[in-house]
Amino acid sequence: GAVVSQHPSRVICKSGTSVKIECRSLDFQATTMFWYRQFPKQSLMLMATSNEGSKATYEQGVEKDKFLINHASLTLSTLTVTSAHPEDSSFYICSARGRTGLGNEQYFGPGTRLTVT
Amino acid sequence: AQKVTQAQTEISVVEKEDVTLDCVYETRDTTYYLFWYKQPPSGELVFLIRRNSFDEQNEISGRYSWNFQKSTSSFNFTITASQVVDSAVYFCALSEAGYSTLTFGKGTMLLVSP
Repeated sequence: GAVVSQHPSRVICKSGTSVKIECRSLDFQATTMFWYRQFPKQSLMLMATSNEGSKATYEQGVEKDKFLINHASLTLSTLTVTSAHPEDSSFYICSARGRTGLGNEQYFGPGTRLTVT
Repeated sequence: AQKVTQAQTEISVVEKEDVTLDCVYETRDTTYYLFWYKQPPSGELVFLIRRNSFDEQNEISGRYSWNFQKSTSSFNFTITASQVVDSAVYFCALSEAGYSTLTFGKGTMLLVSP
């Protein structure tokens, strides 16, 4: 149980275009989803927290107009990188927490590697 | 504010050696949770353990063991008889009570050579 999927696993896009990444909880209802970004050889940095049906809360320094997060249902959250630039190239990881998550546990997706050319 | 420090950036060992990965944390809460994750080259995070602040019992799972000491705010992870498949980046993380966010350490890259 507690499986989280991400799609796509890898995406290459041209500078100036937008790309959408999906995060799905497959076997539980995710009341809260988190989006992280990880640059090479660095740790995971939280970008934003989203609760189903409400606006995402962004961490300091993360542009909300550039990284659009939608958590429209209890099993799906999307991250859209708008007008992507090469510096947005990174590994994006989502995680999800359910209603009865024990010990604050988050279940992580496999990640999406974004390359902007 | 919460903080996790993994002072070891990289560790290299030869197969069958024991290795300990250090984790020191800071928090003002009395209730919190500590985690260890493994991130192999594929990138997917693998959950290893969760420990709550009221449970200081050490845990052993196969070749893995964890030493939680509140007195020193440490939650160290030991791999016994390391194997090449243990090569990965290992992250320690902290979450305070009330369903707050996870704070990750910078990670320790473990390289086990044959």
